[in-house]
Amino acid sequence: EAGVTQSPTHLIKTRGQQATLRCSPISGHTSVYWYQQALGLGLQFLLWYDEGEERNRGNFPPRFSGRQFPNYSSELNVNALELEDSALYLCASNPLAGYTGELFFGEGSRLTVL
Amino acid sequence: QKEVEQNSGPLSVPEGAIASLNCTYSDRGSQSFFWYRQYSGKSPELIMSIYSNGDKEDGRFTAQLNKASQYVSLLIRDSQPSDSATYLCAVRGNSGGSNYKLTFGKGTLLTVNP
Repeated sequence: EAGVTQSPTHLIKTRGQQATLRCSPISGHTSVYWYQQALGLGLQFLLWYDEGEERNRGNFPPRFSGRQFPNYSSELNVNALELEDSALYLCASNPLAGYTGELFFGEGSRLTVL
Repeated sequence: QKEVEQNSGPLSVPEGAIASLNCTYSDRGSQSFFWYRQYSGKSPELIMSIYSNGDKEDGRFTAQLNKASQYVSLLIRDSQPSDSATYLCAVRGNSGGSNYKLTFGKGTLLTVNP
């Protein structure tokens, strides 16, 4: 069974540009979570999607946004990139929407903002 | 702001010793607790979950939970060099929207020396 897949693996952008990251959950999982892992800051919760709806978001500015598609894949968009957006962006999925803490993580997309 | 605190380490133990990793959390209503392991350059993977006070053992790993003290720990017996990784404590809240995401600590870097 395929795990959570993310693309691209690496992405280099300049300040002010936009970045789009993609995630496909494990088959049968309806919930997708996005986390940011910046150096020294640990895993910070960004967004949670379930059944196509945004269910919760963390303390990030509105330029971080996303969506979930009918096939449960998800996309994270970061507009007006800033240097401090450089981080590993991890997507995770969950087999039971909102009811367990067992998250299955993808390998992440490393975003570098120059 | 719900918080999860861990000693950042590094924690260094000799091969064969017991490694003890600690975590405290601020949300007294939290119900679910998890330990994830993250190897350098890799994504986090779940190694233990615990939901009630006391100990839970799985092979060389023992998770301990004390809700009154808001404290959770992970013991690794007979530590091996392959256990060298960052260990992330994660807590699932139990109030409103926070119930549907995990809050992670910043992680403790464990090094097991041969």
